[in-house]
Amino acid sequence: SQQGEEDPQALSIQEGENATMNCSYKTSINNLQWYRQNSGRGLVHLILIRSNEREKHSGRLRVTLDTSKKSSSLLITASRAADTASYFCATDPQIYGNNRLAFGKGNQVVVIP
Amino acid sequence: ETGVTQTPRHLVMGMTNKKSLKCEQHLGHNAMYWYKQSAKKPLELMFVYNFKEQTENNSVPSRFSPECPNSSHLFLHLHTLQPEDSALYLCASSQEVGTGGPFEQYFGPGTRLTVT
Repeated sequence: SQQGEEDPQALSIQEGENATMNCSYKTSINNLQWYRQNSGRGLVHLILIRSNEREKHSGRLRVTLDTSKKSSSLLITASRAADTASYFCATDPQIYGNNRLAFGKGNQVVVIP
Repeated sequence: ETGVTQTPRHLVMGMTNKKSLKCEQHLGHNAMYWYKQSAKKPLELMFVYNFKEQTENNSVPSRFSPECPNSSHLFLHLHTLQPEDSALYLCASSQEVGTGGPFEQYFGPGTRLTVT
């Protein structure tokens, strides 16, 4: 099954810095979504970008999508200690139909106060 | 709070026990999901229900038995589990599966299951 693969796997930054995570996938998608998970808890949806979109913003989050390279990036600007979490990309592959998401392994981000 | 609740939050059970996990969503959604999250592995989709009908069983062993009595409630019945089944079990819901999307998924806090 298709899975998103995030890179880098772990990231440690100082508060106020920007954090960038990348995600690659293998097959055509309907959309790509990013989720955040605080330690041992459920995932929280952050942002969804459709296959015909190239960039999307939500607050301090910026997501890009390059379908020709089958990759996406998530940028968190002016990071805060509260941004410490794992971040997952999830693809909605065209072959499965809507909402059968395939998740990556996640990026652990630590923001040092 | 995401509008999806799960009980219990923690569960320790022996391999011969029978237990059930419960999920309830208060969002008016029609699709519900069970996921398994193990350390250092991607989130694994187990089951999908759309309008109370099971639409996906991702080759899950029969010792896991889902039940969806209505669109707001989802259960995962457990019996004769193995230690490797220890994981965080997450429930999620979304507006529906199929046309009309895309829809984001809303997750519960999970049940941390330990099989001894």
